Amino acid sequence: DIVLTQSPALAVSLEQRATISCKTSQNVDNYGISYMHWYQQKPGQQPKLLIYEGSNLASGIPARFSGSGSGTDFTLTIDPVEADDIATYYCQQSKDYPYTFGAGTKLELK
Amino acid sequence: EVQLVESGGGLVQPGRSLKLSCLASGFTFSNYGMNWIRQAPGKGLEWVASISSSSSYIYYADTVKGRFTISRDNAKNTLYLQMTSLRSEDTALYYCARHVIHTPFAYWGQGTLVTVSS
Repeated sequence: DIVLTQSPALAVSLEQRATISCKTSQNVDNYGISYMHWYQQKPGQQPKLLIYEGSNLASGIPARFSGSGSGTDFTLTIDPVEADDIATYYCQQSKDYPYTFGAGTKLELK
Repeated sequence: EVQLVESGGGLVQPGRSLKLSCLASGFTFSNYGMNWIRQAPGKGLEWVASISSSSSYIYYADTVKGRFTISRDNAKNTLYLQMTSLRSEDTALYYCARHVIHTPFAYWGQGTLVTVSS
């Protein structure tokens, strides 16, 4: 199984940049596509897709969210952080079954 | 508008069975793969099972293989999860989600809560 590793928490100040990392135990690229996706989840809500295939912004997601990386190292950046962005962020790979998620990074205010 | 509405959750004793449903609307259900993903209270997301659009391909997480069965009825726009031999560690909010193989889970339902306890 492909294991995804995220830091448990990140403290940031409003209007600053937040960088959330996700490292995978195996390469999740194939045919030039990174099968890495990012989700935001707020308490009591279902997850929301933010970024797909490593760097593509999902529909309706603000441009302050961006994704980068390839192979085994990926990053979600929020710049600038707004109060509404306080949530837990999950990475997820869809290269191979079983599909796996990172444990989540909780974004907190400093 | 894509809508996924789960139902069938509840309190069940260990070792018993439960069947979840997910009613889909707002898209051509028979064109998409579907999934069950769960989240234990206060914990992260765990993919449970996937089924292709025509039910030709089915995959399970090792944690549920042999106990859970995913199925679908394209005529009724409904996804199912039959859960047997339930354990306390199966306690979670169960989401259904739509995707096409290798793509992300772009649409999620609100979830249905399953509690396994005596």
